[in-house]
Amino acid sequence: GQNIDQPTEMTATEGAIVQINCTYQTSGFNGLFWYQQHAGEAPTFLSYNVLDGLEEKGRFSSFLSRSKGYSYLLLKELQMKDSASYLCAVRDRGYQLIWGAGTKLIIKP
Amino acid sequence: DGGITQSPKYLFRKEGQNVTLSCEQNLNHDAMYWYRQDPGQGLRLIYYSQIVNDFQKGDIAEGYSVSREKKESFPLTVTSAQKNPTAFYLCASRAGNQPQHFGDGTRLSIL
Repeated sequence: GQNIDQPTEMTATEGAIVQINCTYQTSGFNGLFWYQQHAGEAPTFLSYNVLDGLEEKGRFSSFLSRSKGYSYLLLKELQMKDSASYLCAVRDRGYQLIWGAGTKLIIKP
Repeated sequence: DGGITQSPKYLFRKEGQNVTLSCEQNLNHDAMYWYRQDPGQGLRLIYYSQIVNDFQKGDIAEGYSVSREKKESFPLTVTSAQKNPTAFYLCASRAGNQPQHFGDGTRLSIL
C-alpha cells in the first residue's frame, strides 16, 4: 500500500531551527511536495523536490533521498507566524498526490 | 487576480438533503481536484478531473458527485448518501507539472 509518515506534533523555540521528517512508500515517484497549513486555512505550497539533494528557499529548505524514501523540511530562524501544520505529499505514478497527516509545529517564545 | 474561489465558506446540511459546493478558477488550469480533510488526518481525494467533460473517482467518492462542463468550474455535490459529511472541503487546480494550488475551502456541518 501507499504510506506517508510524519511526526504528529513538534515544539520549537522562536529563533531556533527545526527539522520535520517525512518517510514514504508509494507506487512510483514523481516528486515530493511540502505545504504549510495554518489552522482553519487552506494549504499553501512551500517546496518541491524531484531529484536527490537540498533545495533552499529563504528560511526554508527541503531535502530528498529517493533511495531511502525520505525527505525533511528545515525551518531556520523560527518566527511565531511559522506555527502551523506542515504537510508532506508525494506525487505517485498516476500523478496523484498522496498526503501525510501533517506535522503540527508549535513555536514558543 | 488569478485564483481559485470556493463558496460558500460555511455550509450547513439537513438530514436527507443534497448540497453543492462551488469551485471556480481563472488560472486556465486543466486539472482540478476535490479533497476532504478531517481533523488529524491528511487530505483524501474525492474526485479529480484532468480535462473538461471527464472526471475520475478518488479514494472516497461514495456519496459524492461532480461535473466538469466548463474548464473553470468543478462543483461538488454532497448527497444524502454521504452519512458523515462534516469536514473541511478543499478544491485545488494544477497546470502541467506544477504544484496544486488550493481555494480557501468550505466547512460543511450537519444541522
